[in-house]
Amino acid sequence: EDQVTQSPEALRLQEGESSSLNCSYTVSGLRGLFWYRQDPGKGPEFLFTLYSAGEEKEKERLKATLTKKESFLHITAPKPEDSATYLCAVQAGTYKYIFGTGTRLKVLA
Amino acid sequence: DGGITQSPKYLFRKEGQNVTLSCEQNLNHDAMYWYRQDPGQGLRLIYYSQIVNDFQKGDIAEGYSVSREKKESFPLTVTSAQKNPTAFYLCASSILPGSDEQYFGPGTRLTVT
Repeated sequence: EDQVTQSPEALRLQEGESSSLNCSYTVSGLRGLFWYRQDPGKGPEFLFTLYSAGEEKEKERLKATLTKKESFLHITAPKPEDSATYLCAVQAGTYKYIFGTGTRLKVLA
Repeated sequence: DGGITQSPKYLFRKEGQNVTLSCEQNLNHDAMYWYRQDPGQGLRLIYYSQIVNDFQKGDIAEGYSVSREKKESFPLTVTSAQKNPTAFYLCASSILPGSDEQYFGPGTRLTVT
């Protein structure tokens, strides 16, 4: 069964304290892995797309990496404005996108 | 600015009433999608559309209906047959059907009592 699992469910960091969020997946035929940021009461905002193992993408304090079984979202020296829920999704078919339940990140000043 | 708009932001209805959620995009995207988001669950696909006048059921289509009369618009109707309609509804689009990343609207929170 195609599945996406994100961990941890919630994470509290001090400002400047780097960490990583994990997205583990089992899917037959990965067509792409996506990271989104979602603020409370709003729609997800697209961050990254990764297609193959070894690929990395960066944007400001965020860096996404991909292996054959999981993806990591590394947050370097986070700021309070990075607080949000981070969603991972995999594309397992033409219209089949499987979303994880997200990691709620809180960065304390 | 290009983007996806959803209206209204909040919607309240009595049980037994049908309600229509609006979704408009000016990104010139061919594909559009409707998802439902519930606490503790991942987004679940309700319906998707590849082109005008064509749409397909997703994983949880029962109790919902859609139309795609214009490329820019993909309204969702939540019917009285939907057993648990209270949820956060998200509309999304992508450049081509089944391609790459999806872009989401701001969402509509529907409460049915």
